[in-house]
Amino acid sequence: ETGVTQSPTHLIKTRGQQVTLRCSSQSGHNTVSWYQQALGQGPQFIFQYYREEENGRGNFPPRFSGLQFPNYSSELNVNALELDDSALYLCASSRTSGGADTQYFGPGTRLTVL
Amino acid sequence: KNEVEQSPQNLTAQEGEFITINCSYSVGISALHWLQQHPGGGIVSLFMLSSGKKKHGRLIATINIQEKHSSLHITASHPRDSAVYICAVCPNYQLIWGAGTKLIIKP
Repeated sequence: ETGVTQSPTHLIKTRGQQVTLRCSSQSGHNTVSWYQQALGQGPQFIFQYYREEENGRGNFPPRFSGLQFPNYSSELNVNALELDDSALYLCASSRTSGGADTQYFGPGTRLTVL
Repeated sequence: KNEVEQSPQNLTAQEGEFITINCSYSVGISALHWLQQHPGGGIVSLFMLSSGKKKHGRLIATINIQEKHSSLHITASHPRDSAVYICAVCPNYQLIWGAGTKLIIKP
């Protein structure tokens, strides 16, 4: 158990809809990173939030957006869902920003877009 | 060419065997991570390295910064070690992930 939780566990949406995924970081961690993992592939970095600000972004379109709250929990929002958005969405928290710190992963949210 | 290459992609071994998984990368990094992913998706961080060698139980990770290469070793492998092992490097604020090595340990 890493202390990082994600909700919901599974989600089914249809094309064009919007979705919000949630992540609670481990106590004492101020950084949350989000990753998308398509079936059979490695995770792809979406973005990172540090102290409520976006700290870096991967190669994802603007319809992927996020928030970090004062308690350092975070949300990932995806608008105008496409079939290719079907994936496992993972969040990871860490004590510091950047990637040079141990990342603690949540169990993931599996999103299916029909 | 991918920035992070792992080998082998798949590995099947008998219980008790010594396992080595390799990772080569082409970018400058501040750290390298080894992670384990079980079926169902959960990812566990095993090691974070910036130099030298680390050991935790039956797992050993080494890194050679000059050669841009890291290895993960498992001694006395056990069926519960069966998982996907992923190497990820950190050049800046994000992790760049390898494709993973699927390890199966047969009893």
